[in-house]
Amino acid sequence: DAGVIQSPRHEVTEMGQEVTLRCKPISGHNSLFWYRQTMMRGLELLIYFNNNVPIDDSGMPEDRFSAKMPNASFSTLKIQPSEPRDSAVYFCASTMGQGTSPLHFGNGTRLTVT
Amino acid sequence: AQSVSQHNHHVILSEAASLELGCNYSYGGTVNLFWYVQYPGQHLQLLLKYFSGDPLVKGIKGFEAEFIKSKFSFNLRKPSVQWSDTAEYFCAVNKGGSQGNLIFGKGTKLSVKP
Repeated sequence: DAGVIQSPRHEVTEMGQEVTLRCKPISGHNSLFWYRQTMMRGLELLIYFNNNVPIDDSGMPEDRFSAKMPNASFSTLKIQPSEPRDSAVYFCASTMGQGTSPLHFGNGTRLTVT
Repeated sequence: AQSVSQHNHHVILSEAASLELGCNYSYGGTVNLFWYVQYPGQHLQLLLKYFSGDPLVKGIKGFEAEFIKSKFSFNLRKPSVQWSDTAEYFCAVNKGGSQGNLIFGKGTKLSVKP
């Protein structure tokens, strides 16, 4: 079991640039979550998918943020244009989405926008 | 709105000391409660969870937590900490809709001195 795989681990970009974060959930998991972690706000849920369908995107901060899940094994979180306040660690997580199945987190992408 | 409060931002203990990390949540309905741990440089991992039944829940690595409904609390305990317990600990409550749709506290950093 390779776990949830995120790429890149670190991303440094300039304000105004487009940023794309990638996530491969654990095979067989049907729910995928994007979280953002900052010192000020802690861990916040941005959006989650169930069976590739976005279920709740109320945590997405602005229209500059978008997420897709074209298939069961891949998801992207895009920020366009990026701003310095988007600097954070972005975590992807997946779960079977039923019963007491736990949430499995990836190692995160540390984004720095200068 | 649901929220989770962790009382301590940073706790420093010596090895073999006892640990109790506070967690309070605000939600009037049925809740599922979790403690996650994030070791330095690693992803979040589930320590333990409460869904129903015995309010005293035992997790991995000797941790336990007690759900006290009347106090809206789910404090984490360990009788004797080790240096390897140095990490950040997050309490979370299930927001409903999916097991992974969690509201996290801001975390408590635990430093254990050898």
